[in-house]
Amino acid sequence: DGGITQSPKYLFRKEGQNVTLSCEQNLNHDAMYWYRQDPGQGLRLIYYSQIVNDFQKGDIAEGYSVSREKKESFPLTVTSAQKNPTAFYLCASSIAPNPENTEAFFGQGTRLTVV
Amino acid sequence: AQSVTQLDSQVPVFEEAPVELRCNYSSSVSVYLFWYVQYPNQGLQLLLKYLSGSTLVKGINGFEAEFNKSQTSFHLRKPSVHISDTAEYFCAVSEPINDYKLSFGAGTTVTVRA
Repeated sequence: DGGITQSPKYLFRKEGQNVTLSCEQNLNHDAMYWYRQDPGQGLRLIYYSQIVNDFQKGDIAEGYSVSREKKESFPLTVTSAQKNPTAFYLCASSIAPNPENTEAFFGQGTRLTVV
Repeated sequence: AQSVTQLDSQVPVFEEAPVELRCNYSSSVSVYLFWYVQYPNQGLQLLLKYLSGSTLVKGINGFEAEFNKSQTSFHLRKPSVHISDTAEYFCAVSEPINDYKLSFGAGTTVTVRA
């Protein structure tokens, strides 16, 4: 089945460690996104990529990094510089950044907890 | 910059009663509007979208929304809710000037009681 796969579903990290969240899609979508979700704050955009080998910062990029070496994959690294990383992370993709295809499809999310 | 305001953070409702979730946005020109639903510990699923044309948009699971340009609103409605509609609902906006990225409201939690 086509879709977006995020792994792992739950992730625990010690303070001071970097951790990488995986996001893979087999929808042949050009655009991919990472959002962070905190209670009462909705979804905030961390990074996005509209094409392979290119990505842009979103509203809350500090303490995060990404890569887009393949169309299907958009991993997110939460670095030790991120002061409050405990959150629910959602990956999404869309066909292309244009009006007809602006709808985003979401993965099931990764819940990251710093211990 | 676009912003989205969902006017109610919590909406309790009895089964088979109607529900309306309010969403207002701020944007300069053309916008594209969406409602998503999120069940606990899951990703978001699209309920409906407005791109152009008729201002009344019908979506999945009996939901509909009306785009009102003069009031910059996109309220979501369902005439009769079920227990299974208990979830969090997000309004989102995208526009050309912002690379069509989605900006989300803070969400409205709907709790349906028997």
